[in-house]
Amino acid sequence: KQEVTQIPAALSVPEGENLVLNCSFTDSAIYNLQWFRQDPGKGLTSLLLIQSSQREQTSGRLNASLDKSSGRSTLYIAASQPGDSATYLCAVKAAGNKLTFGGGTRVLVKP
Amino acid sequence: KAGVTQTPRYLIKTRGQQVTLSCSPISGHRSVSWYQQTPGQGLQFLFEYFSETQRNKGNFPGRFSGRQFSNSRSEMNVSTLELGDSALYLCASSLVQGVYNEQFFGPGTRLTVL
Repeated sequence: KQEVTQIPAALSVPEGENLVLNCSFTDSAIYNLQWFRQDPGKGLTSLLLIQSSQREQTSGRLNASLDKSSGRSTLYIAASQPGDSATYLCAVKAAGNKLTFGGGTRVLVKP
Repeated sequence: KAGVTQTPRYLIKTRGQQVTLSCSPISGHRSVSWYQQTPGQGLQFLFEYFSETQRNKGNFPGRFSGRQFSNSRSEMNVSTLELGDSALYLCASSLVQGVYNEQFFGPGTRLTVL
């Protein structure tokens, strides 16, 4: 059974610092990995999708890497801003169209 | 292009009642999945529909059911509500039922069971 873990559960950084968020999964037989952002009480916003054949994806200040063999992904957010404060979730897709989510990392960027 | 829409946004029900939630996918998307989010269990997959057929199902009791219409809109029903059913219910759509497709989520329906 696939299990996805995100450590730490919470993170607080001063504005301008780079953010590093970790995601690990137990079964490397995945098709893709997706990073999401969730603001309090809201739905999920897709940030990046990395296919299993890719090593990384970039979008603006965001960069995500994927190491399937070690079951790890890292989301980097450069030069963090207070508006980056949110919960970040990673999810892996294996069989079917089902996503298995990690517990999330709650990020606070202090001005 | 409009995103995934869910109605209603908020619901309050009492134990034993039943509830129906609705999801309209992004135009052209044919796959709709449902997830339950609770503080204790996080995000858990409920089921997926594609071409009006349930394709995948998560580990939830039979009180949770769904359907999809020919226009890809989907509804989910929970019968005999329990306190533990209080959660944010999220719907996601993707273009087709392919493992490489990106999923896009709606704003969710917040269900409170009293």
